[in-house]
Amino acid sequence: GQQLNQSPQSMFIQEGEDVSMNCTSSSIFNTWLWYKQDPGEGPVLLIALYKAGELTSNGRLTAQFGITRKDSFLNISASIPSDVGIYFCAGRSGNTGKLIFGQGTTLQVKP
Amino acid sequence: AAGVIQSPRHLIKEKRETATLKCYPIPRHDTVYWYQQGPGQDPQFLISFYEKMQSDKGSIPDRFSAQQFSDYHSELNMSSLELGDSALYFCATLGGGGYTFGSGTRLTVV
Repeated sequence: GQQLNQSPQSMFIQEGEDVSMNCTSSSIFNTWLWYKQDPGEGPVLLIALYKAGELTSNGRLTAQFGITRKDSFLNISASIPSDVGIYFCAGRSGNTGKLIFGQGTTLQVKP
Repeated sequence: AAGVIQSPRHLIKEKRETATLKCYPIPRHDTVYWYQQGPGQDPQFLISFYEKMQSDKGSIPDRFSAQQFSDYHSELNMSSLELGDSALYFCATLGGGGYTFGSGTRLTVV
């Protein structure tokens, strides 16, 4: 089945540093989404991307939908302690709208 | 703003018991997706409904069933529970504003 490869698996950074994570797939997706999930909670949408090449920002977050439609990245600039959590990419393909999730990137920020 | 409501938030069941999880979508969201997320795992798609009809099916065990009702809320029924069913179950609904996820139901099978 379809799979998303998300990397890195985990990151431990200093407050104020920039962060980058990405997802790749062997399949084409027509929508890429980036979520943040806190322990025991459902994912919260950060950024949604709907067109190949699209670059979208949400505050300190920037994400891009790859031209090939098989990849996406998320950048977080000037990280702060509340950025701590698990970040998931998700791709949508087909007509039913189900999402395929990446394996997640666990981010830890040291004050 | 109204969000996706899931109930209960936490549930503890014994092996072989049954459980029913509920998902109440945002008004005018007519599509519901169910996901299962094991500890330290990424969410796995179980099943989805559009306009009260099953629209897609993923890795949902035969012991599980689900339906969507006329008010668009959905219920996930789980029978003969196993220890491996312990997970966070969350639903997502889709409407004009995109996907919105509920906070999930934490099911623990003991």
